[in-house]
Amino acid sequence: ELKVEQNPLFLSMQEGKNYTIYCNYSTTSDRLYWYRQDPGKSLESLFVLLSNGAVKQEGRLMASLDTKARLSTLHITAAVHDLSATYFCAVDTLQGAQKLVFGQGTRLTINP
Amino acid sequence: KAGVTQTPRYLIKTRGQQVTLSCSPISGHRSVSWYQQTPGQGLQFLFEYFSETQRNKGNFPGRFSGRQFSNSRSEMNVSTLELGDSALYLCASSFGARTEAFFGQGTRLTVV
Repeated sequence: ELKVEQNPLFLSMQEGKNYTIYCNYSTTSDRLYWYRQDPGKSLESLFVLLSNGAVKQEGRLMASLDTKARLSTLHITAAVHDLSATYFCAVDTLQGAQKLVFGQGTRLTINP
Repeated sequence: KAGVTQTPRYLIKTRGQQVTLSCSPISGHRSVSWYQQTPGQGLQFLFEYFSETQRNKGNFPGRFSGRQFSNSRSEMNVSTLELGDSALYLCASSFGARTEAFFGQGTRLTVV
């Protein structure tokens, strides 16, 4: 059974600092997604990583995927308050249906 | 381009009642999947429908059921509601298996 683990689960950081969120998964997959969720809101798609070595960047966020290590990272550069949210990684299960297995989420708080 | 629409947005029900939630996918998307989000269990996959057929089901009791119509709209039904069914129910639409999923705003169900 596919398991997805994120760490840290809680992250409080100051504006201007850099940090990385890690997403490990337990079985083979070549497709990983990162989502953002604001309190009480739905999931907003951030990145789709489709192959080993994939790297995507949008603004202060950069995501990468290492399928051999079964690891994805979400790196935050020079954090700003607007990035405060919960971030989820989700792994495609390689089955013939659309099914994502999510990590527990990382609640990111960025303080001025 | 219209996004994924879920109705209703909020719902309060009494234990023992049943409830039906609706999801209209993005035009052209044929896959609709449902997820339950709770603080304790996180995001969990309920089931997925593609072209009116359920292709995959998560580990939930039979009280949780769904269906999909020929226009790809989907409904999920929960019978004999329990307090533990209180959650945010999210639906996601996609073209098919292993394609990017886009989430609706969710239905927040409270069982009292």
